[in-house]
Amino acid sequence: DAKTTQPNSMESNEEEPVHLPCNHSTISGTDYIHWYRQLPSQGPEYVIHGLTSNVNNRMASLAIAEDRKSSTLILHRATLRDAAVYYCILRDNNQGGKLIFGQGTELSVKP
Amino acid sequence: ETGVTQSPTHLIKTRGQQVTLRCSSQSGHNTVSWYQQALGQGPQFIFQYYREEENGRGNFPPRFSGLQFPNYSSELNVNALELDDSALYLCASSSKASGLGEQYFGPGTRLTVT
Repeated sequence: DAKTTQPNSMESNEEEPVHLPCNHSTISGTDYIHWYRQLPSQGPEYVIHGLTSNVNNRMASLAIAEDRKSSTLILHRATLRDAAVYYCILRDNNQGGKLIFGQGTELSVKP
Repeated sequence: ETGVTQSPTHLIKTRGQQVTLRCSSQSGHNTVSWYQQALGQGPQFIFQYYREEENGRGNFPPRFSGLQFPNYSSELNVNALELDDSALYLCASSSKASGLGEQYFGPGTRLTVT
């Protein structure tokens, strides 16, 4: 299973942009990059995913390096509600539904 | 549309006992996955059920077993409980037809084994 590396923790100020990095140097051509987050006392929730091109949705943007060995989740204006553990996950279509979570990055947001 | 629900919310069991956890999938979803999350760790995949059949399994012993019912709800059974089984158990539902689409997680069941 391909692995990802993320910083253990990051801090942000409210209403400022946040860039959460993820390294995945052993990514294969069929791996999609998924991001989930887990708010305190809740199950994980889907944030965004992509393959090669940058992706935007209402929650965040995903910037993928040209060689696909790293990616960055971008929260454009952090709110207190964005304080959570963010997981970067590689997911192969051949693996079916399995999500392989790492340690994730614990994001704290200061008012 | 009802989200993923799990029961019970909390549970305390004694080592050696058996436990059954339940999950109701989101409306329209035919696939349920179960995860174990130890304190301070990311969730670990236990297994997945699709149309009442096991469809993939993680590195968990056979005393972890499951069922999926015709309405796509699911159970996780753990026999011969060990202290290390204390964790948050999460289920997630998805639609197989959506391929790599998102999984929707329930709030989890907190199991404590004493």
